[in-house]
Amino acid sequence: QLQLQESGPGLVKPSETLSLTCTVSGGSISSSSYYWGWIRQPPGKGLKWIGSIYNSGSTYYNPSLKSRVTLSVDTSKNQFSLKLSSVTAADTAVYYCARHHYYDGPFDIWGQGTMVTVSS
Amino acid sequence: EIVLTQSPGTLSLSPGERATLSCRASQTVSSSYLAWYQQKPGQAPRLLIYGASSRATGIPDRFSGSGSGTDFTLTISRLEPEDFAVYYCQQYGSSPKTFGQGTKVEIK
Repeated sequence: QLQLQESGPGLVKPSETLSLTCTVSGGSISSSSYYWGWIRQPPGKGLKWIGSIYNSGSTYYNPSLKSRVTLSVDTSKNQFSLKLSSVTAADTAVYYCARHHYYDGPFDIWGQGTMVTVSS
Repeated sequence: EIVLTQSPGTLSLSPGERATLSCRASQTVSSSYLAWYQQKPGQAPRLLIYGASSRATGIPDRFSGSGSGTDFTLTISRLEPEDFAVYYCQQYGSSPKTFGQGTKVEIK
């Protein structure tokens, strides 16, 4: 069955760029009508959608983070990636990648999440 | 942005009891694009309900969703030990997609 796995540094310094990759296995990232998104959850807090990407590279972002976020996709590696620039302690969170069906669909498959701490 | 407000913040119940969780939106959720997720400690959220009332694959029928417009409800008919967790609602019909702040269902 389809699985998602996040990877990347667990510690990022303030003002630097956070970079994470989500690897899709058990299926193709190029499957029609599926979008691939990022969601984060600060420790002890709720969930926040960061943005989503289609296999064509089409993206849409949460306006609250849009100026700092870049999503990309590599269909040859079955991966998609998140870059968040100029990070601060407020960006410390568990970062999840997830799949949703259509532009406006629920997140039906999630990765296990990866904790990223912003600290010097 | 659509703000989702969940109530109560915490629900203290015993196994076998019925749980009723509320999610209220600041604006109409288009096409009832409202989902419910369950999250246990250290785990990713799991999709329970989508389209306000459709159960996701493999979700037991003790979970049911209802509502439309701005008011939605998740009902767990009889709580099993594995149902004690945090539950989030999410609207996905308008961008940005937004989540409620969560309701914790704890053992009384």
